[in-house]
Amino acid sequence: EIVLTQSPDTLSLSPGERATLSCRATESISLNYLAWFQQKPGQAPRLLVHGATRRATGIPDRFSGSGSGTDFTLTITKVEPDDFAVYYCQHYGTSLPFTFGPGTKLNLK
Amino acid sequence: QVQLVESGGGVFQPGRSLRLSCAASGFGFNSHAMHWVRQAPGKGLLWVALIWDDGNKKRYAASVEGRFTISRDNSKSTLSLEIDGLRAEDAAVYYCVRDKSRTAAGLLDSWGRGTLVTVSS
Repeated sequence: EIVLTQSPDTLSLSPGERATLSCRATESISLNYLAWFQQKPGQAPRLLVHGATRRATGIPDRFSGSGSGTDFTLTITKVEPDDFAVYYCQHYGTSLPFTFGPGTKLNLK
Repeated sequence: QVQLVESGGGVFQPGRSLRLSCAASGFGFNSHAMHWVRQAPGKGLLWVALIWDDGNKKRYAASVEGRFTISRDNSKSTLSLEIDGLRAEDAAVYYCVRDKSRTAAGLLDSWGRGTLVTVSS
């Protein structure tokens, strides 16, 4: 099973600042099949990025994904008030089970 | 517009059996694999089960294997999850999730709002 760890646990920022969220896997993720989700309180997760770098439909370009192998990053260039939420990474592809990281909570400073 | 609407949650006693359902609309249901993902209160996300587009292949998380059964009815665009021998640790919001592919690559591109299962004696 691929285990994903995320850092930091909590990130406190002001609107307009840059957010950098990290996701690390215990083994290399084939084809960089790594996704990022955003979840707001009381809502379902929303797909932001897949294939490590591809934004999902309708996702603003201030969200970008990078990385390969075992180390991945989600960057929000200028955080907006609507971005304060919990962010999860997830691996997918042929290796079951699909697993999620524990999440990074982006807080308003 | 993709819509996934879960139902069947509620308060159940330990040991009970229950069936969760998901009504899908707005897309070709029989062209997508489907998943259940759960989230315990205040906790993270846990992938639970998947089923291929034609229903012929199913896979489960180790923690639910043998107690959970995923199924689908493509003629009715519905997905189901049967839970047997309910345990306290099964208490969670259960999400119905669409896979972008037919063969369950695991790219979870559309989520329902979820249905809450509470376990209480």
